Amino acid sequence: EVQLVESGGGLVHPGGSLRLSCAASGFTFSDHYMDWVRQAPGKGLEWVGRIRNKANNYITEYAASVKGRFTISRDDSKNSLYLQLNSLKTEDTAVYYCARDGGYSSPFDYLGQGTLVTVSS
Amino acid sequence: DIQMTQSPSSLSASVGDRVTITCRASHSISTFLNWYQQKSGKAPKLLIYAASSLQSGVPSRFSGSGSGTDFTLTISSLQPEDFATYYCQQSYSIPRTFGQGTKVEIK
Repeated sequence: EVQLVESGGGLVHPGGSLRLSCAASGFTFSDHYMDWVRQAPGKGLEWVGRIRNKANNYITEYAASVKGRFTISRDDSKNSLYLQLNSLKTEDTAVYYCARDGGYSSPFDYLGQGTLVTVSS
Repeated sequence: DIQMTQSPSSLSASVGDRVTITCRASHSISTFLNWYQQKSGKAPKLLIYAASSLQSGVPSRFSGSGSGTDFTLTISSLQPEDFATYYCQQSYSIPRTFGQGTKVEIK
């Protein structure tokens, strides 16, 4: 059974940093692209970015709204995905989901339960 | 960026009704269109991928159609567990983009 479990969310001040983690199980993590998707309270879904697999050089791609502030990484030996959030703004407040991506033009076929990040003074 | 526009934003329907939600892309995306269902407080769940392919385990009352810029999600006979918010999403290009969502409520 595919499982994605996010952790690391919490309350942070504007300008602060946070690191989210996503623990994956039930599939061959190293084969897959992985993404982050977020959802502000009461709002719709927004793609944050993705990291490709080793065969595709671990290339990362980001939404314009987070480029230069957020960094996606992975550790295939630990079946884990990470999202480093820096220079946080109040508009970054959201539930952050990790998502399995089949690569190329595939959908997100599994998403985790999410972790809430609140940016507030 | 490709903009995705869903209509309606919300609808009220009764159990047993046929429900149709539309999604329009600002540029042609071939059939790289996916539909997700999200229940309150839960993660989104993939229903339909590649415009018309049913994800494993999803009931056959859900179907998708379309290509190019215009797409449709149909629920043939609405069930109590189908009351949720539905999102379309394009996987044609980066950045991936979602529609604003359609909330299906009980009439």
